[in-house]
Amino acid sequence: QLQLQESGPGLVKPSETLSLTCTVSGGSISSSSYYWGWIRQPPGKGLEWIGSIYYSGSTYYNPSLKSRVTISVDTSKNQFSLKLSSVTAADTAVYYCARRNLALAGTGDAFDIWGQGTMVTVSS
Amino acid sequence: DIQMTQSPSSLSASVGDRVTITCRASQSIRSYLNWYQQKPGKAPKLLIYAASSLQSGVPSRFSGSGSGTDFTLTISSLQPEDFATYYCQQSYSTPHTFGQGTKLEI
Repeated sequence: QLQLQESGPGLVKPSETLSLTCTVSGGSISSSSYYWGWIRQPPGKGLEWIGSIYYSGSTYYNPSLKSRVTISVDTSKNQFSLKLSSVTAADTAVYYCARRNLALAGTGDAFDIWGQGTMVTVSS
Repeated sequence: DIQMTQSPSSLSASVGDRVTITCRASQSIRSYLNWYQQKPGKAPKLLIYAASSLQSGVPSRFSGSGSGTDFTLTISSLQPEDFATYYCQQSYSTPHTFGQGTKLEI
C-alpha cells in the first residue's frame, strides 16, 4: 500500500524559506505513470495546487507561486521536496503531498493518494 | 487559469436524502474533472475521476456526470459518514485548480 508522509518544520519565520519533504513508502517514486505534487490549504479555506514533479526531475509550478517555489526529487531516497522562499503569513497552511496518477481509466488524471498533511505556520 | 465554481457553497441535508453538487468550469475541460471528499483534519480523498469514473473502494451511491463546462456530483442516499466538504478539480491544464468547496451539513 503506497503511503506518503510529509516532514519538516512546523514554524517558519517571515522572509525565510519553508522546506518540506515527502517520503514515499510502499512503492517506487520512479514510475512513468505518476507525477508527485504539493497542494496547500490555508486554515478554513480551499485547496491550492503548488506544483508537481516527475521522477526525471521535470517540474511545473503554479504561476502564482512560481517565482518562490522549487520542487526537487531524490529517487535514491524515494523522496521529493518543496522549498518556498520569502514566506509571509499568507503562506500559513496545511501542506499536502500527493500522487498525481496519469494511469487512471479513460482520461483519468487525478491526485489519488495523499499524505496526511503538515501544518506550517509563518510567524516571528 | 481555469476557474472552477461550485454551487452551493453549503448544503443542509438529512440521512437518506439525494444530494447534487454542481461544478462549473470557466472554459471547456472536456471530461478532466475530479471530485474529492474532505473531512475535518483529514486529507482529501478521491471519489470520482474523469467526470464519471468511480475510484476504487468508493461506495456506489456516489456518481458523477457532465462534460465540457458543467459537472455534477450526486450522492443517491446520504449516509452519516458523507457529511463533509466536497471539492471539484480540473486536470485539463495547469495550474490545476480546485473549486471553493461545498460543505455538506446535517
